[in-house]
Amino acid sequence: KAGVTQTPRYLIKTRGQQVTLSCSPISGHRSVSWYQQTPGQGLQFLFEYFSETQRNKGNFPGRFSGRQFSNSRSEMNVSTLELGDSALYLCASSSDGLFNEQFFGPGTRLTVL
Amino acid sequence: AQRVTQPEKLLSVFKGAPVELKCNYSYSGSPELFWYVQYSRQRLQLLLRHISRESIKGFTADLNKGETSFHLKKPFAQEEDSAMYYCALNTGRRALTFGSGTRLQVQP
Repeated sequence: KAGVTQTPRYLIKTRGQQVTLSCSPISGHRSVSWYQQTPGQGLQFLFEYFSETQRNKGNFPGRFSGRQFSNSRSEMNVSTLELGDSALYLCASSSDGLFNEQFFGPGTRLTVL
Repeated sequence: AQRVTQPEKLLSVFKGAPVELKCNYSYSGSPELFWYVQYSRQRLQLLLRHISRESIKGFTADLNKGETSFHLKKPFAQEEDSAMYYCALNTGRRALTFGSGTRLQVQP
């Protein structure tokens, strides 16, 4: 099976712009979770989608949003970018089930100037 | 609130020495704990989970609810074990709370 893919891998934006990141889960996986990784805060949960519905959300401002399509691909959007949004954004997919493993993608490195 | 603490940023050992990576958690519910590993230039991957009670690559971890700990252990470290290790707590619906990570450096 192909692993989780994320596009683009690198992105440079300026403050105030918006950005959309994409995640394609492993075939057959319907759950997609997003995480932000920064040197200061570490890995933090953003949100999780299953069957096009957001099931859980972390403690991030409303500028961070996401969606999931019928083919389970997911996008996350960050509007009005701030310098502090510079981070590695990871997505993870899993098949639904109580203890199912999350498989992580390589991440998108976002730099906000 | 849920919290995962990994007190050591860096743990350096010699090849063949025992390894223990510490993880403590705070969670009011029934914990579901994992260890994830990230080798150099590779993506984050699951190493083991408490529910499986398995040994992966010689690593084991036991959940101690009394001490709220889930330490990762290996009796004899290998150079290929050098990596970043993260302890994670599932707080529901694929919402993992990660510790800050411990870099394990195994010297020859």
